Amino acid sequence: EDQVTQSPEALRLQEGESSSLNCSYTVSGLRGLFWYRQDPGKGPEFLFTLYSAGEEKEKERLKATLTKKESFLHITAPKPEDSATYLCAVRSYNNNDMRFGAGTRLTVKP
Amino acid sequence: NAGVTQTPKFQVLKTGQSMTLQCAQDMNHEYMSWYRQDPGMGLRLIHYSVGAGITDQGEVPNGYNVSRSTTEDFPLRLLSAAPSQTSVYFCASSYALGGGGEQYFGPGTRLTVT
Repeated sequence: EDQVTQSPEALRLQEGESSSLNCSYTVSGLRGLFWYRQDPGKGPEFLFTLYSAGEEKEKERLKATLTKKESFLHITAPKPEDSATYLCAVRSYNNNDMRFGAGTRLTVKP
Repeated sequence: NAGVTQTPKFQVLKTGQSMTLQCAQDMNHEYMSWYRQDPGMGLRLIHYSVGAGITDQGEVPNGYNVSRSTTEDFPLRLLSAAPSQTSVYFCASSYALGGGGEQYFGPGTRLTVT
C-alpha cells in the first residue's frame, strides 16, 4: 500500500532562516510526487510535480527535490507569507489513488 | 473561470439525515475527485471519476455515493450521516489522471454531524 510520511509535523522559523521539509514515501511504481500549499480555511494549492529521482523544481523561495525514497521542500530565506501547511502526495502506476501525507505546518515569524 | 466551486460552505446534519455536497468545475477537466480532510490524517480520497459516466472508489468510500452525468458536475451524496463523517470535504479536478497531476481544489465544505 502506498504510504506518505511528512516531517516535522510543525516547524517554526524566523524570517530569513532557511530550512527543509521532508516527505518520505513508499510506492510501487511512482507516477508522480506532488507538493501543495494549504492556507487555513482554503483548499490546497498546487506547487510542484516531480517524476523521477534527481529531479528538482523551483518557484520563488521554494525548491523541491526527489530521491527514490523521499522528497525535500527547501525554503530559502522564508517570509511570513510563506506560513502555511505544506502537503506532499504520491500517485503510483498501480492504482488511481493519490495518497497524501498529513502535512507540515510552517510558521514564519517576522 | 470560476475554477472549482463547492456548495454549501458549511453544513450541520443530524445523525441519519442524508444530503448532497455539490461540486462543479468550468475548466473542462476529465478527472474529478472527492477528499475528506481530518486533523492529523491528511487528505483521503473518497471517490473519483475519470470522465462522465465513470466513477470508482478511493480509500474511504463507505457511506458515500457519487455519480457523474456531465463533465462539469460531480456531486457527493451522504446516504445516512454519522458523526464519523464530520470532516472538511474537498472536491478537486485535473485534465487527466496522469501527466502533471496538477489538481485544482475547491474551497471545501465543513460538515458537522451531531
